[in-house]
Amino acid sequence: QSALTQPASVSGSPGQSITISCTGTNSDVGSYNLVSWYQQHPGKAPKVIIYEGSKRPSGVSNRFSHSKSGNTASLTISGLQAEDEADYYCCSYARTSFLVFGGGTKLTVL
Amino acid sequence: QVQLQQWGAGLLKPSETLSLTCAVYGGSFSGYYWSWIRQPPGKGLEWIGEINHSGSTNYNPSLKSRVTISADTSKNQFSLKLTSVSAADTASYYCARGIPIRYSSRWINNWFDPWGQGTLVTVSS
Repeated sequence: QSALTQPASVSGSPGQSITISCTGTNSDVGSYNLVSWYQQHPGKAPKVIIYEGSKRPSGVSNRFSHSKSGNTASLTISGLQAEDEADYYCCSYARTSFLVFGGGTKLTVL
Repeated sequence: QVQLQQWGAGLLKPSETLSLTCAVYGGSFSGYYWSWIRQPPGKGLEWIGEINHSGSTNYNPSLKSRVTISADTSKNQFSLKLTSVSAADTASYYCARGIPIRYSSRWINNWFDPWGQGTLVTVSS
């Protein structure tokens, strides 16, 4: 099972909105509304920011939102802040390999 | 609040066996999928496998022949063994609690929270 496809990098200025895409297949993202997103700061363990497609854990800002169309899931961060600068990973349940991650996207806040 | 603490050898020679253990503090061992995930330096995350409280395991097909995940429920610990390591197995290894969801009459692992602090395992001769 190949990793889900994410752009290597995205950037935006403080206050702007950015979107990170996560493209899979009809064996994973397209068939299940079970995408989760993780934020990872340098040297730290990943932290979940979106799960089950649309839910946010307690304490996670509502500036993070998720959408899905076909085989592509998207994470949108609105009102960019300096602290949002990190790596972001999507993850989906997959029919044949249980769980698969995206390759990761580095977000730079300009 | 559940916390995971992991430990194990950080430097291995090619062909040796990687062995890591993760302890679960402050929460129940039952009802979750206890998982291992790795991240090569500068690269993305890769799910390795999982075990539930009853001992049922699932593994990444690409690693299945070399991976064993086990659990000691009396100690609230679970472990990873990866045999015949090579330089390609150099990575930070994380343990994580997998949160299941009921889907089409079965339970499946869904998302991960919390994560352990990570252990960098380097394979070098």
